[in-house]
Amino acid sequence: QVQLVQSGAEVKKPGASVMVSCKTSGYNFFNYYLFWVRQAPGQRPERVGWINPKNGATFAAQIFQGRVTMTRDTSIDTVYLELSGLKFSDTAVYYCARVRLPGTLTLSHWGQGTLVAVSS
Amino acid sequence: DIQMTQSPSTLSASIGDSVTITCRASQSISNNWVAWYQQKPGTAPKLLIYGASTLESGVPSRFSGSGSGTDFTLTISSLQPDDFATYYCQQYNSYLFTFGGGTKVEIK
Repeated sequence: QVQLVQSGAEVKKPGASVMVSCKTSGYNFFNYYLFWVRQAPGQRPERVGWINPKNGATFAAQIFQGRVTMTRDTSIDTVYLELSGLKFSDTAVYYCARVRLPGTLTLSHWGQGTLVAVSS
Repeated sequence: DIQMTQSPSTLSASIGDSVTITCRASQSISNNWVAWYQQKPGTAPKLLIYGASTLESGVPSRFSGSGSGTDFTLTISSLQPDDFATYYCQQYNSYLFTFGGGTKVEIK
């Protein structure tokens, strides 16, 4: 079955960087875009960006431009999200999620989430 | 970005009730590209409906969706204990998809 397993919670200071991993299994890694979505406490989910595992192309939401890097390691079917210049407002649960079908934008499979807490 | 406004923000209901949640888009959504998700505390959202009205595999038939243009609804007929959760709509008109603010369904 399709599984997305994320790395563990992180506590970082303002200005630091954090990397979250998302290991996938149970399907052809190359065929489905993966998205990063974050959710601050009590807030709606918010799109961070996406990566095309086939060629590594990425697109980040404008509010994160310059601070977000998304990469993949095709040898282990894993994608990574790196967020730099952390702010208190970056405190959230970060999810990776796979599209339901190639070419669609509904998210049918989600990781368990990774809490990133920014605290001084 | 297209803004999605959900109402109500909180809804109190009893087991067996039928409830309806509304989502209004700031502009018309082409092809009815609206999805609905259920989220329980501490867990990731779960896809319920896509294409405004198509039930995701494995989702009970008491969930249904409808709408077009800018106005979309999620209806849960005969509310069950497992349905108390927060529900979000999502428009996916483009890669710039956005979520509604959520509706928390509570036990009356």
